[in-house]
Amino acid sequence: QVQLVESGGGVVQPGRSLRLSCAASGFTFNTYGIHWVRQAPGKGLEWVAVISYDGSSKYYADSVKGRFTTSRDNSKNTLYLQMNSLRTEDTAVYYCAKDRWYCSGGTCSGIDYWGQGTLVTVSS
Amino acid sequence: QSALTQPASVSGSPGQSITISCTGTSSDVGGYNYVSWYQQHPGKAPQLMIYEVSNRPSGVPDRFSGYKSGYTASLTISGLQADDEADYYCSSYTRSSTWVFGGGTKVTVL
Repeated sequence: QVQLVESGGGVVQPGRSLRLSCAASGFTFNTYGIHWVRQAPGKGLEWVAVISYDGSSKYYADSVKGRFTTSRDNSKNTLYLQMNSLRTEDTAVYYCAKDRWYCSGGTCSGIDYWGQGTLVTVSS
Repeated sequence: QSALTQPASVSGSPGQSITISCTGTSSDVGGYNYVSWYQQHPGKAPQLMIYEVSNRPSGVPDRFSGYKSGYTASLTISGLQADDEADYYCSSYTRSSTWVFGGGTKVTVL
């Protein structure tokens, strides 16, 4: 069965950096696009970024563009989210989520499986 | 990237039907058939209920159905059950090759 396991969350000071990882199993990782979605405490879902099956296409929400970078290592079935210049408003549970398609050129079908999330708290 | 518009809450009695709306623009809901719906129980990860406007993944009861007209997508839950009480989110692909979620709707089973 599809499994997505996020790690790397924790408490970090404003302005600092953090890298999240997402280990995938149960599907052919190198043929699907993967999203990052976050949810602030008590709030709704916010889409963060998507990366195509081969890493050639990446798109970001305006709120993180220029600060966050997503990448993938298909040899390790792992996705990454590098978060720089963190702000208090970045505090959230971060989910990695598999798309139904490969997301070539940015065109995806939508998320079908989600991980359990990892909590990132930005606080001084 | 403004969030799609959903009602904050919808309620119904067991066995009844309810509909949740999700309104966007020509740049998202109105322009593409890549609209999905997710159910989220407290403390849990979201679960896909509907994809590409009206398609149900295997394992999702046929009590859940999706529809779109113009800039508004809708999720209908028929034969409401206690376990349907949860938060529901719509999402859509956008013209910028990004994605946007609705603000979420809390469904209460009376």
